[in-house]
Amino acid sequence: DVKVTQSSRYLVKRTGEKVFLECVQDMDHENMFWYRQDPGLGLRLIYFSYDVKMKEKGDIPEGYSVSREKKERFSLILESASTNQTSMYLCASHPSGIGSSYNEQFFGPGTRLTVL
Amino acid sequence: GDSVTQMEGPVTLSEEAFLTINCTYTATGYPSLFWYVQYPGEGLQLLLKATKADDKGSNKGFEATYRKETTSFHLEKGSVQVSDSAVYFCALRRASGGSNYKLTFGKGTLLTVNP
Repeated sequence: DVKVTQSSRYLVKRTGEKVFLECVQDMDHENMFWYRQDPGLGLRLIYFSYDVKMKEKGDIPEGYSVSREKKERFSLILESASTNQTSMYLCASHPSGIGSSYNEQFFGPGTRLTVL
Repeated sequence: GDSVTQMEGPVTLSEEAFLTINCTYTATGYPSLFWYVQYPGEGLQLLLKATKADDKGSNKGFEATYRKETTSFHLEKGSVQVSDSAVYFCALRRASGGSNYKLTFGKGTLLTVNP
């Protein structure tokens, strides 16, 4: 089974702190994603990466950055956390390729971040 | 741009009731369509998918048919159980090739099934 793990299930930080959210997948997937999930807004894409050291902005990148130094690990960084970044953060990975078996995105359990 | 619109919840049903959650989309070409489910305290997991017009995806008693003419992918189940209580997300993946594996999600529909 594909496993996507996230470093913390719950995290509480203070305004202005630098926050690191870590995601690791064990299936050698090329593509990795960070979303935030908010009630009434669904999932919104923050950043994604289709290869090591490659990254692209999603729909809401402001206030975030990412790092992908190794294929299995994709980190989301909040340079200076703010209260409006309190949310559920979901990481996902997706294999590259054509065909039905490449048509599924696999999600981690999520990190609920509270910024006080 | 691409978009997915799904019926707003919450939806509350009694056990064994019939379920429909509507989903319509806007996209160019022939996107792949998905339903993901999120059980309480967990991440999303794929429930079913369809990759071309008139395809029917099915899993765990749930079904959805890709209707190109109405740009819809409605989720149905004939008899829901308490264990089906979750948030359901409709999503699409653009048909273009290359490295585009991004999904566009609807806002989610919370389903609660009472015994």
